Amino acid sequence: NAGVMQNPRHLVRRRGQEARLRCSPMKGHSHVYWYRQLPEEGLKFMVYLQKENIIDESGMPKERFSAEFPKEGPSILRIQQVVRGDSAAYFCASSPQTGTTFSEAFFGQGTRLTVV
Amino acid sequence: KNEVEQSPQNLTAQEGEFITINCSYSVGISALHWLQQHPGGGIVSLFMLSSGKKKHGRLIATINIQEKHSSLHITASHPRDSAVYICAAPYSGGGADGLTFGKGTHLIIQP
Repeated sequence: NAGVMQNPRHLVRRRGQEARLRCSPMKGHSHVYWYRQLPEEGLKFMVYLQKENIIDESGMPKERFSAEFPKEGPSILRIQQVVRGDSAAYFCASSPQTGTTFSEAFFGQGTRLTVV
Repeated sequence: KNEVEQSPQNLTAQEGEFITINCSYSVGISALHWLQQHPGGGIVSLFMLSSGKKKHGRLIATINIQEKHSSLHITASHPRDSAVYICAAPYSGGGADGLTFGKGTHLIIQP
């Protein structure tokens, strides 16, 4: 049973381009969480998704950022028109369908986005 | 929103020393997580605990739900334990959502 898979591991984009970060949850997991770690800062929650639903996006910047978790395929975190301040490590975590509690944290290795 | 505080922020110790990292949170929770982030950046979940104590190898985690406090201990520390240790609590106190994180404790174990 493979762990949470994120790709790419490293992504370089020029200012103004789009960045697409992918997260494949663990087999059988239907909950996905995205977190961002800015340089020299702690991890911060961005968005919580279930299949085809955004449950909580209170940590997402209001513009340029979007996330989806389709019925088939990985979850995608999309950043449009990237700026240098978007440079960070983006982590995805998944959990099984457990009702109302985040019971286990299975993290991906992260995608390191560098905007040049 | 749950506020999570960790201490110390930085800790340097000699190989073999007993290490303690503390975490306090503001909102009552059902479970707390301890994570380890290696210099390469990958994150590993060490413990999820809701009461008492858990042990895994040289790592021990304790939690006091009433006092809203948890500790992570490392016995017989080794240079390979050098990493950032992060505690995390449910984002808003226990609902179906993500985690809020402490800023992490940067641990360096010198040979």
